[in-house]
Formats: sequence, C-alpha cells, structure tokens
Amino acid sequence: QVQLVESGGGVVQPGGSLTLSCAASGFTFTSFPIHWVRQAPGKGLEWVAVMPTDGINTDYADSVKGRFTISRDTSKNTLYLHLNNLRPEDTAVYYCARVRGGSDWFLDLWGRGTRVSVSS
Amino acid sequence: SSELTQDPAVSVALGQTVKITCQGDSLRYYYVSWYQQKPGQAPVLVIYGKTNRPSGIPDRFSGSGSGSTASLTITGAQAEDEADYYCQSRDRTSNQRVAFGGGTKLTVL
Repeated sequence: QVQLVESGGGVVQPGGSLTLSCAASGFTFTSFPIHWVRQAPGKGLEWVAVMPTDGINTDYADSVKGRFTISRDTSKNTLYLHLNNLRPEDTAVYYCARVRGGSDWFLDLWGRGTRVSVSS
Repeated sequence: SSELTQDPAVSVALGQTVKITCQGDSLRYYYVSWYQQKPGQAPVLVIYGKTNRPSGIPDRFSGSGSGSTASLTITGAQAEDEADYYCQSRDRTSNQRVAFGGGTKLTVL
C-alpha cells in the first residue's frame, strides 16, 4: 500500500527538542522529493522543509531555519524532521507529503500527520 | 506571508455552483494545484496542473485560470464538499519551496 505515516509528535517544553518520523511504504521514497508541511491550530498550511531526491540540497522555511533539520534513512524508507529549540509558535500538526510532476509539481500523497505541542 | 491569496470564506447552496479563486504572481509562471481538507483530516489533492483531476475525485471538481488568477469550480456542490480548500504552486524564490494560499472555508447551505 502506497502511504506515508508520521509519528513522534508529543508535548514538549519551550526550548526542547523532538524528532518526527515519516515512514514511506509502497514506493521508492528516494525517487521523490518529500516535504514537511505544518498546520497550527485553526490556521492554514505552512511549508516547513524539503528533502530532495539527491538527499543533499535540503531547504527550510525561514521560520525554522537553524532550528529544524531534515534527514533520511534509506534503509528504513524513513524521513526525519529534527526539531530543536522549540517555540510555542511551532505548535502544529506536522504532515509529510510526496512530490509528483515535473516543473509544475504538486503534493499527491500526504500522511495523516503528527501533533506537536510546545507548552510549559 | 503567503504569496497566494484566497478569500477566507465562501458559501454555496446545495446543488449550486461555486468558484473558489486564488491570486498570485507565481501563477503567471507555474500551474496551480488545489487541496481539500476536512476537519481533523490531512489535505487531499483534488486538482493538479491547473485543470487535471486525480483518479477518484468527482468530476464536479474542475480547475481553470489565466494570468495571475486560478479557480476551483464545484458544479453541483454536495454536503460532503464542505471543507477548507487550499491552492498551491511553486514558490517563485526557489524551485523546491511550496507556496500555499491562506485557504478558503467552503460552507454548503
């Protein structure tokens, strides 16, 4: 079954750290760029980071650059998002999503999300 | 802030036609995609490449647009179409970044 499954969310204090996982199945996940997208409570979708197919040229939203790191384990078909120095405004549901298409790419497959709550 | 602009809310009577719009300069260069999100669920792709429908999406959903404006039209809206809708394109500053619209909450009356 082609799917993405996120895990690792939880409640953490400001300044704390967390690692989210995105497990891919049913497809070769290194063949597709995969993004992390988050959604704060009652808010819209916000792009967070991308793992390209080369595994090297990662990119981050300005709001998380220097605090979040994206990585992957190809042997486990799993993508990670390492969240450091967390702030209350990082509270959100975090989704991973697969890219399809050429120059006008789109996100065709989404996980169900994992919830992160940053609170003291 | 989002590069793509959407009306925050739109309503439609059951069975009628509604158009949800998205504006942004990036739409002059890149095709738009549209996602439907129901409460507590992940977004679902409903239109890609401005006009294409993924398999399994009802044909009452269609996409169009020109210049800096794109539209998602639901012809004969159903109660189950009540949801948030987000437009998306590539970010003009990077070929890897995603640009989302702020979302439109569709209410079916």
